[in-house]
Amino acid sequence: GNSVTQMEGPVTLSEEAFLTINCTYTATGYPSLFWYVQYPGEGLQLLLKATKADDKGSNKGFEATYRKETTSFHLEKGSVQVSDSAVYFCASRGETSGSRLTFGEGTQLTVNP
Amino acid sequence: NAGVTQTPKFQVLKTGQSMTLQCAQDMNHEYMSWYRQDPGMGLRLIHYSVGAGITDQGEVPNGYNVSRSTTEDFPLRLLSAAPSQTSVYFCASSKTLARNYGYTFGSGTRLTVV
Repeated sequence: GNSVTQMEGPVTLSEEAFLTINCTYTATGYPSLFWYVQYPGEGLQLLLKATKADDKGSNKGFEATYRKETTSFHLEKGSVQVSDSAVYFCASRGETSGSRLTFGEGTQLTVNP
Repeated sequence: NAGVTQTPKFQVLKTGQSMTLQCAQDMNHEYMSWYRQDPGMGLRLIHYSVGAGITDQGEVPNGYNVSRSTTEDFPLRLLSAAPSQTSVYFCASSKTLARNYGYTFGSGTRLTVV
């Protein structure tokens, strides 16, 4: 089956620092990949996605590139803000029709002023 | 557009009580699912539905029932609440079964079983 592994957290950064959250996946076939963000007390929101190799998803200054050769989808942001403090989830959705979304365990990001 | 609406937002139950968590979406989404979120364990799939009248089990279905009589609604029933069911529950929907669609999540129900 499919699985997603995220770097262990929590991650604490100062404002304007560079962010990387690692994500690797295992899957049969060719999944779509997603990053979700969860702010305190809220549900998950789709942050960005990529559906094929070398695709780059981007939104709100965040980027992630689908790397088939390394089975990775690392999340990056050049300059984080306090408002980026949240939990970030990497997820994959498999190639077969009707496939489920499989989540990593989540990474807590705290950005200090 | 309301998106995915979950009620209630908070609930406290006594062990052995039953209750239904409500989920409704107004986007005509085909696929709906229930997840539970526990510290250090990410999100785990409880049940899902690929259309009205069709449901199936996820990773952790024991103690929960679902039904899907309409496209819009997908309630989750706790048959006899146990402290192990203390969790945050999320309902999520997807437009189609195609892999390139992500999910839209509700804001969650925080359940405590005492």
